[in-house]
Amino acid sequence: SAVISQKPSRDICQRGTSLTIQCQVDSQVTMMFWYRQQPGQSLTLIATANQGSEATYESGFVIDKFPISRPNLTFSTLTVSNMSPEDSSIYLCSVEDPRGPYGYTFGSGTRLTVV
Amino acid sequence: QKEVEQNSGPLSVPEGAIASLNCTYSDRVSQSFFWYRQYSGKSPELIMSIYSNGDKEDGRFTAQLNKASQYVSLLIRDSQPSDSATYLCAVNGLTGGGNKLTFGTGTQLKVEL
Repeated sequence: SAVISQKPSRDICQRGTSLTIQCQVDSQVTMMFWYRQQPGQSLTLIATANQGSEATYESGFVIDKFPISRPNLTFSTLTVSNMSPEDSSIYLCSVEDPRGPYGYTFGSGTRLTVV
Repeated sequence: QKEVEQNSGPLSVPEGAIASLNCTYSDRVSQSFFWYRQYSGKSPELIMSIYSNGDKEDGRFTAQLNKASQYVSLLIRDSQPSDSATYLCAVNGLTGGGNKLTFGTGTQLKVEL
């Protein structure tokens, strides 16, 4: 199955600042997905990133707050902008696995704490 | 009605027993169904995928899908303490959703010695 390297694994940030999270996949993939998992909660999709086009955001998430880049078929970044304590979550990237078995593979996650 | 529903648990089973985890979904056009295991502090790990009615077995795990009842389940045989985790049901192909996954809230499983 695909291997996703996600970094940083964790960070503690001051409110009002921004953090950029990176995901590198060892295979070319069409779509990359960014999720948020708040403490004790399930996964909520933030946006879908396609190479060469604007990311598609889910209801409740906006580009100004969560800008995404997708410069090629193996890499994407998610920025959490102007952070507040409510942004403290685990952020995960995911891809539809190109090598099988059929399914979606996740990166190891970024645990973000905003103080 | 939530799109994907799971009982949050915790579900407690003794070691060696069968654990049964259930999931219902709201959209009949849903195409593919996944079970993920998530240990505390870790990212979700794919256990099984299923897209045809019936049973699919992989080792100690069996996924069951009934599209008429909009129901998918995961059976874990010979449960081990290492199976203690949160199990997430996920669905793709929801109306308007394309390839994205929609997750249930997860069921916490505790396997007791």
